[in-house]
Amino acid sequence: QKEVEQDPGPLSVPEGAIVSLNCTYSNSAFQYFMWYRQYSRKGPELLMYTYSSGNKEDGRFTAQVDKSSKYISLFIRDSQPSDSATYLCAMSGTGANNLFFGTGTRLTVIP
Amino acid sequence: GAVVSQHPSWVICKSGTSVKIECRSLDFQATTMFWYRQFPKQSLMLMATSNEGSKATYEQGVEKDKFLINHASLTLSTLTVTSAHPEDSSFYICSARHLFRGPTEAFFGQGTRLTVV
Repeated sequence: QKEVEQDPGPLSVPEGAIVSLNCTYSNSAFQYFMWYRQYSRKGPELLMYTYSSGNKEDGRFTAQVDKSSKYISLFIRDSQPSDSATYLCAMSGTGANNLFFGTGTRLTVIP
Repeated sequence: GAVVSQHPSWVICKSGTSVKIECRSLDFQATTMFWYRQFPKQSLMLMATSNEGSKATYEQGVEKDKFLINHASLTLSTLTVTSAHPEDSSFYICSARHLFRGPTEAFFGQGTRLTVV
């Protein structure tokens, strides 16, 4: 079993739609939960992170963590064509060096 | 935000030659740098972790004699793919972390696409 599971998609939505991206994980020691956005042939850039459980909102983006279910989500409201990218979830334990990544979900927002 | 510069962004080399990839933290001191490999439609796989002034720690299954990592300063780490073969063709990405900062503050380079012909 992989440490982090993520549906690779691809996912296509019309402009303005609400997008839901999800990851599940198996390691209960994970405390940091991150979402990265990666454009084609570029390195990942950090979008948001959450420590432990709960929600975090930043503009059109909302990150949710449910540690009891080992399930995290990223919601994108009013999606824009510029949101088209691959979204990677990543996780880490407290004090740990390593990030464990999901496979990434490729999102296309159609104008 | 912090900037990590990776060079070159792409390289094509002949089988059997060596290729060096540089990763620089431009505006912060990075005691730890990470090297990842990413195949199409797959996740980032950690290859090795390098700490400034120390030998790199390689993940299981990664040949340390083939993927040479040097982290001689707080702002520069290099990955050398020695005697490259077509199966080494991949997207290589480095990540650098601030001194005393946590896992959420690891910044990524733009990646290097290596094609071995």
